[in-house]
Amino acid sequence: AQSVSQHNHHVILSEAASLELGCNYSYGGTVNLFWYVQYPGQHLQLLLKYFSGDPLVKGIKGFEAEFIKSKFSFNLRKPSVQWSDTAEYFCAVKGGSSNTGKLIFGQGTTLQVKP
Amino acid sequence: GAVVSQHPSWVICKSGTSVKIECRSLDFQATTMFWYRQFPKQSLMLMATSNEGSKATYEQGVEKDKFLINHASLTLSTLTVTSAHPEDSSFYICSARAETGPAYSNQPQHFGDGTRLSIL
Repeated sequence: AQSVSQHNHHVILSEAASLELGCNYSYGGTVNLFWYVQYPGQHLQLLLKYFSGDPLVKGIKGFEAEFIKSKFSFNLRKPSVQWSDTAEYFCAVKGGSSNTGKLIFGQGTTLQVKP
Repeated sequence: GAVVSQHPSWVICKSGTSVKIECRSLDFQATTMFWYRQFPKQSLMLMATSNEGSKATYEQGVEKDKFLINHASLTLSTLTVTSAHPEDSSFYICSARAETGPAYSNQPQHFGDGTRLSIL
């Protein structure tokens, strides 16, 4: 069965620090990968997605993620975080065989950025 | 664009009552909607996939008679928690996928704001 694991449950950073959130998945076939963000009191929003092509994906608000197939990883990065990046971040995977678009989510990582 | 509205946002009710939660895609049509449950500090767990005009597909371990799903139109899906009990208290989130183009299953899901259900 597909699963997604996010290594960091709670990350605290100061503004301008660099961010990397880990995400590993288990699925042997073709996958589509996503990062979603949930700001306090808001709904989940798509940050970026990977379907195929360039494994380095750029998303909104300066975020990027790199798909490393050999490591089954899709880590999220941002060179310099801001206080407004404080939120919950979820990695998700959709197996290529699933035509329904069913997503499997990781446990989530709470990011707290100190001003 | 791609707004999903979920209603109500918060409901408190007595044990044994049934609660209906609505999920609407406001500016796009969605053949497929998804219902998730989120426990505090945990991930979203998919409960079921709601298909317009047909029966929902439930995930393993989810009681379909407990969580009734109706997807009567391309913009509305409802989740009814029947005879709710305190253990059903949770945060329920719906999402909808815009059905455009041949690879629609690759379209991103758009999420509602969620419904916090508290059963006393």
